[in-house]
Amino acid sequence: LAKTTQPISMDSYEGQEVNITCSHNNIATNDYITWYQQFPSQGPRFIIQGYKTKVTNEVASLFIPADRKSSTLSLPRVSLSDTAVYYCLVGDGIKAAGNKLTFGGGTRVLVKP
Amino acid sequence: DAGVTQSPTHLIKTRGQQVTLRCSPKSGHDTVSWYQQALGQGPQFIFQYYEEEERQRGNFPDRFSGHQFPNYSSELNVNALLLGDSALYLCASSLAMAGQGETQYFGPGTRLLVL
Repeated sequence: LAKTTQPISMDSYEGQEVNITCSHNNIATNDYITWYQQFPSQGPRFIIQGYKTKVTNEVASLFIPADRKSSTLSLPRVSLSDTAVYYCLVGDGIKAAGNKLTFGGGTRVLVKP
Repeated sequence: DAGVTQSPTHLIKTRGQQVTLRCSPKSGHDTVSWYQQALGQGPQFIFQYYEEEERQRGNFPDRFSGHQFPNYSSELNVNALLLGDSALYLCASSLAMAGQGETQYFGPGTRLLVL
């Protein structure tokens, strides 16, 4: 799986938009980009997955430029409960369900009142 | 629709003992993967089971073994426990023949403390 690089930590305030950028310079043609959220002592929770351009669901948006060498997870109007670690993963989305997931260190997001 | 469940939630063992952790996959899923997450780090892949066989394995010693049952549930066994085995053990389930955009779904984990 392609290696990913993301900031170690980010601070934000309630009501603000949080954008986390992940670099994946050696992403392969078949690779999808997947983001997970993890609260302390809980399992990671799937947030969003995309291949190119923009993907939006009820929780977040994922922006992927044309070269696909990076991606940005956007969390609109965060609340205190969005304080968590966010992981960016890159791999063959079609087979990701059957392949091992390789997690990096993630980005620790702290939302302040 | 039940998600991934794991038992027990917490466990305390001493060095040298053996432990068995259990996982029930999300309804409709047939593949189970196990991950170890040390404090402050991302989850690390241990192995994956599909059709009752180990299909992939991460960089973990043979002390770590597993099993998958006909109902797709799974067990993770760790023998000769070491202090360094203290971690959160996560189970993830998925559908082997999943279509585009599908991925793995995680359980709440079992917190293992080895003293």
